[in-house]
Amino acid sequence: AQSVTQLDSHVSVSEGTPVLLRCNYSSSYSPSLFWYVQHPNKGLQLLLKYTSAATLVKGINGFEAEFKKSETSFHLTKPSAHMSDAAEYFCVVSDLNSGGSNYKLTFGKGTLLTVNP
Amino acid sequence: DAGVTQSPTHLIKTRGQHVTLRCSPISGHKSVSWYQQVLGQGPQFIFQYYEKEERGRGNFPDRFSARQFPNYSSELNVNALLLGDSALYLCASSYRVGYNEQFFGPGTRLTVL
Repeated sequence: AQSVTQLDSHVSVSEGTPVLLRCNYSSSYSPSLFWYVQHPNKGLQLLLKYTSAATLVKGINGFEAEFKKSETSFHLTKPSAHMSDAAEYFCVVSDLNSGGSNYKLTFGKGTLLTVNP
Repeated sequence: DAGVTQSPTHLIKTRGQHVTLRCSPISGHKSVSWYQQVLGQGPQFIFQYYEKEERGRGNFPDRFSARQFPNYSSELNVNALLLGDSALYLCASSYRVGYNEQFFGPGTRLTVL
């Protein structure tokens, strides 16, 4: 069974400082991992994805994440926070089952990012 | 190109009623998935459909059902509504099953009174 643990329910940073949102995963197979962002009253937007290629993944809006198999982690970072980054962030895992197809995304509980001026 | 669309955007029902939510995938996408997002939680998987067949089902009671039409749009039906069914219902489309990337619609906010 696959699962995701987001280690912080709320992270608060000042504008211009680095962002770190932590995520650990559990997966029986080779996982695909994603970070989605959800702004208030908006749908989910894909930030970036890892699918067994490069372990350092670059996404939109300056975000990146590093897949570390030994630590079962997929932390999201950004060098300099912007006010518009304030939102809910979800770490997501999708297993490739033995048939080579995956049919569901498993979400973490989310991390609320607050950016202070 | 239009993204995933869902209707209605908001809905208020009373306990015991039935509700139908609708989703149109991105043009060319053949797979639709449904998720329930309760306030303060991450979305939870309900169903996935591909080529009009159910390909996966989450841990939800039989009151929840869905179907996919020949044009790949989808409906989610919930019978005998409970207060706990109040949530944001999200639809996501992907090109096919086995294709990782899913694109989400804005959701339908269901309130059960």
